[in-house]
Amino acid sequence: ETGVTQSPTHLIKTRGQQVTLRCSSQSGHNTVSWYQQALGQGPQFIFQYYREEENGRGNFPPRFSGLQFPNYSSELNVNALELDDSALYLCASSSREQTEAFFGQGTRLTVV
Amino acid sequence: DQQVKQNSPSLSVQEGRISILNCDYTNSMFDYFLWYKKYPAEGPTFLISISSIKDKNEDGRFTVFLNKSAKHLSLHIVPSQPGDSAVYFCAASRNAGKSTFGDGTTLTVKP
Repeated sequence: ETGVTQSPTHLIKTRGQQVTLRCSSQSGHNTVSWYQQALGQGPQFIFQYYREEENGRGNFPPRFSGLQFPNYSSELNVNALELDDSALYLCASSSREQTEAFFGQGTRLTVV
Repeated sequence: DQQVKQNSPSLSVQEGRISILNCDYTNSMFDYFLWYKKYPAEGPTFLISISSIKDKNEDGRFTVFLNKSAKHLSLHIVPSQPGDSAVYFCAASRNAGKSTFGDGTTLTVKP
């Protein structure tokens, strides 16, 4: 069974740029959630995708957007990057029958 | 307003003793409560969960207790092992994947 994989693992971007992060969900999972984890804090829910549709969103501005593809992999796009966007971005996959989610190793984004 | 709080940023225990990690929440609409463990440079790993209709769930050395009236849950690890040293996150959920996390407690188990 293939786990959740994220790419890239590390990324450095300049303020104002745009970034795309990618996630391959675990086999058999049709739901992908994205989280932002700032240093010293817990993961903060950004949004969730279920069968290619957004299925809930946290308190993040519209410049955070996403996609889910027919194979259930997903992208997180962030436009007009700000210094405060520097964080670990975590992708988690799950199925409707489970209460728990399975996380990837994360993408460490640094905005300079 | 932080809906899930872990008031102890760190906890240190001796190998073989009990570790007790605590978590408080404010939203009575949560259906499930979960604990995740995180090692450096890895994503969180699911450890154990409990439904809001139960007050206890056990899995080997790990037991989670839920006190709904106090809006409090705790994770007991007994006996604690050095390999348990990690950051532990409490999370509350109304839907798998849409979880609200606390800020974590760093557990150190000393040999």
